[in-house]
Amino acid sequence: DTGVSQNPRHKITKRGQNVTFRCDPISEHNRLYWYRQTLGQGPEFLTYFQNEAQLEKSRLLSDRFSAERPKGSFSTLEIQRTEQGDSAMYLCASSSPARTSTDTQYFGPGTRLTVL
Amino acid sequence: GQQLNQSPQSMFIQEGEDVSMNCTSSSIFNTWLWYKQDPGEGPVLLIALYKAGELTSNGRLTAQFGITRKDSFLNISASIPSDVGIYFCAGQLLPSNTNAGKSTFGDGTTLTVKP
Repeated sequence: DTGVSQNPRHKITKRGQNVTFRCDPISEHNRLYWYRQTLGQGPEFLTYFQNEAQLEKSRLLSDRFSAERPKGSFSTLEIQRTEQGDSAMYLCASSSPARTSTDTQYFGPGTRLTVL
Repeated sequence: GQQLNQSPQSMFIQEGEDVSMNCTSSSIFNTWLWYKQDPGEGPVLLIALYKAGELTSNGRLTAQFGITRKDSFLNISASIPSDVGIYFCAGQLLPSNTNAGKSTFGDGTTLTVKP
């Protein structure tokens, strides 16, 4: 396993611009999660996929946020019309409950978004 | 929603000392997880606990799943400078719940180890 990878690692954008982040999970992990983390806080759940199906979305995920996992492998998280309050670390995690009988999640290094 | 209270918020210790931190919840969890996060990186899983009362070790780290399913603690023995970082607890609900798999995190314990 090469681990969960995320790109880009850092993104600086101006308010109102759209941004897209990518997550590549551990191969054969069928569950993929997105979390958001602000300074001094623990990660907060945004959404998760089982294969290509998006099964749950948090109330934190406003209409400006959309996530996809079209082929059940990598996932993208897009934020439209970014606001300064969107500045945070966006973390991706993957798990394989079918294989391990648990939903232990392994995290990527995150994408730090700064909205100016 | 569920809230996890993690304490202490921060700790300053001398190298070689033992450390203890804990996490409490008003809700029952099916799984407790402990992660360590370095600045600018994602959380790294340290220990996973799946049964009430379970005590699990990983090197100098030991964690326990509370009998009530509403708490967990993490101990670090003989701390070393590389133990510095933020430690997070996380809980997961029962599998039958639609929130299954989603982790609820505490706000972390920041550990500083003085050589």
